[in-house]
Amino acid sequence: DAKTTQPNSMESNEEEPVHLPCNHSTISGTDYIHWYRQLPSQGPEYVIHGLTSNVNNRMASLAIAEDRKSSTLILHRATLRDAAVYYCILRWNTGFQKLVFGTGTRLLVSP
Amino acid sequence: DAGVIQSPRHEVTEMGQEVTLRCKPISGHDYLFWYRQTMMRGLELLIYFNNNVPIDDSGMPEDRFSAKMPNASFSTLKIQPSEPRDSAVYFCASSLEVGEKLFFGSGTQLSVL
Repeated sequence: DAKTTQPNSMESNEEEPVHLPCNHSTISGTDYIHWYRQLPSQGPEYVIHGLTSNVNNRMASLAIAEDRKSSTLILHRATLRDAAVYYCILRWNTGFQKLVFGTGTRLLVSP
Repeated sequence: DAGVIQSPRHEVTEMGQEVTLRCKPISGHDYLFWYRQTMMRGLELLIYFNNNVPIDDSGMPEDRFSAKMPNASFSTLKIQPSEPRDSAVYFCASSLEVGEKLFFGSGTQLSVL
């Protein structure tokens, strides 16, 4: 499985943008970049995913480097509810591949 | 849709007892997954099913663990006999198709004393 590297923790203030980085230098051409997050005492929830182009949805934006060796999850205005562990995961989109969670980045949001 | 439903939310039992965790996936989802989360090992995939058939159980820690999916709307994860090292949060998840995003339940917090 291609590996991802994320910082253990990051801090942000409420209503400020947050950029969560992920390095995946061994990514292959068929790997999609998925992001999940896990709020306290809850199961993980899907955030966003992409292949090559930047992606936006109601929760976040995903910026993918041109060489695809890194990506950044962007929360445009952090809220207290965004405090969670964010997981960056590589996954094929054809055939089945296990969703393998790493250690993720713990995001702390201060009022 | 109510999402993935797990029960019980919390389970406290004594070593040696049988424990059964339950999961109802989202209707229409063909894939069901059981994960375990601990501080030491993070989130680990234990087993997954496709159309009620177990496909990969390589993550099941040992023979004390078993999982079944008798129909499309119900799955169980059983531990017999339970041990203190089985204490963890157990999550069930389901997805519509191969490669689709997973929807997780709220988990079962298991404590084995």
